[in-house]
Amino acid sequence: ILNVEQSPQSLHVQEGDSTNFTCSFPSSNFYALHWYRWETAKSPEALFVMTLNGDEKKKGRISATLNTKEGYSYLYIKGSQPEDSATYLCAFSSGNTGKLIFGQGTTLQVKP
Amino acid sequence: DAGVIQSPRHEVTEMGQEVTLRCKPISGHNSLFWYRQTMMRGLELLIYFNNNVPIDDSGMPEDRFSAKMPNASFSTLKIQPSEPRDSAVYFCASSRSGGATQPQHFGDGTRLSIL
Repeated sequence: ILNVEQSPQSLHVQEGDSTNFTCSFPSSNFYALHWYRWETAKSPEALFVMTLNGDEKKKGRISATLNTKEGYSYLYIKGSQPEDSATYLCAFSSGNTGKLIFGQGTTLQVKP
Repeated sequence: DAGVIQSPRHEVTEMGQEVTLRCKPISGHNSLFWYRQTMMRGLELLIYFNNNVPIDDSGMPEDRFSAKMPNASFSTLKIQPSEPRDSAVYFCASSRSGGATQPQHFGDGTRLSIL
């Protein structure tokens, strides 16, 4: 059974704080790692798809890094804003099949 | 561009009834995925299609669940007979190809309640 673990489960920060959370996945048979943002009452929205060890992707204030050898990815949010409040999901693929195994997510609450 | 369209948004029905969930993927996307989201198990893949062909249905819980994709622009997920434990939010997603390097685009989901 392939396990994808995310930590922490939830996070409360003040507006302006920078924050980061972790996604751990099996380091063997790695193919791709996805990050999604899921706002309440909406559907998951793709942030990044990462495939290469050492990869770093950025979208505005949000960035992600990937270490496939040790099986983890970090998502960073610089200068958090209330609109960043959401659940952030990572998903792992062990082959080029489109079949993703999702973590349980990290729920971020940014207080104004 | 229209996103992934799911219907109905909400469904409440009695145990034993047949339930049909519908999905229209984004035009030009070749792959379609059905997910179930519950508090206990999070987001789980039920089945996915490439070019209208089912590729992996290992996530389908039991024979009461079936999915079809008769053409590139329509898919259904059917539960017959439905049970209270099937209550969940069901998401459909599509991507440009069946590969793992393409992001998946999700619909708004169908919230299913079986009484």
